[in-house]
Amino acid sequence: QVQLQESGPGLVRPSETLSLMCSVSGDSISNYYWTWIRQPAGKGLEWIGHFIITGKTNYNPSLKSRVTVSVDTSKNQISLRLDSVTAADTAVYYCAGASKYSDNWLDHWGQGSLVTVSS
Amino acid sequence: DIQMTQSPSSVSASVGERVTITCRASQGIRNYLAWFQQKPGKAPKSLIYSASTLQSEVPSKFSGSGSGTDFTLTISSLQPEDSATYYCQQYDIYPFTFGPGTKVDIK
Repeated sequence: QVQLQESGPGLVRPSETLSLMCSVSGDSISNYYWTWIRQPAGKGLEWIGHFIITGKTNYNPSLKSRVTVSVDTSKNQISLRLDSVTAADTAVYYCAGASKYSDNWLDHWGQGSLVTVSS
Repeated sequence: DIQMTQSPSSVSASVGERVTITCRASQGIRNYLAWFQQKPGKAPKSLIYSASTLQSEVPSKFSGSGSGTDFTLTISSLQPEDSATYYCQQYDIYPFTFGPGTKVDIK
């Protein structure tokens, strides 16, 4: 059974960089497409970006200039980097995966990681 | 960007009632539509993908239909454990977008 666990600092200062990691167990991350999604408190879900393979990642245009998603296959981890954060980036951040070998979509989710942007 | 709308924004229904949620895309997305259920303080859970394919272990009281721009999620017999917010998401055209959510309560 694939399990995902997000981790990272819960507090980030304004203008600094938010870095989160999604650690995957139970299968190789190479078998999945990876997506980051965020949710501000009391609000809906926002799609951040979708990693297909190295060099082929699609990002939300509203975040594209500040966001990077990458993978480390040796550690079986997916990372999210968001530069120049503001209070508007305060949210719960989720990683989610979809198998490359089926039509399934985002059937695996982490529990989420709360990030607060504040000085 | 493709805009996803959902109606109603909230619904309150009795146990055993049938509940239908509609999701509409601003342009055609074939059948690349997923439904998620989210309970307070929890991560979303996938219910349906490809508009109508139920995830394994999701009870058959949930069903999805539609193609193109109009989609529905139906709960055939509402139970207390179905109280949650339901989101649709299109994953046909980047950027992938979510609907605003429909909150389902038990009356």
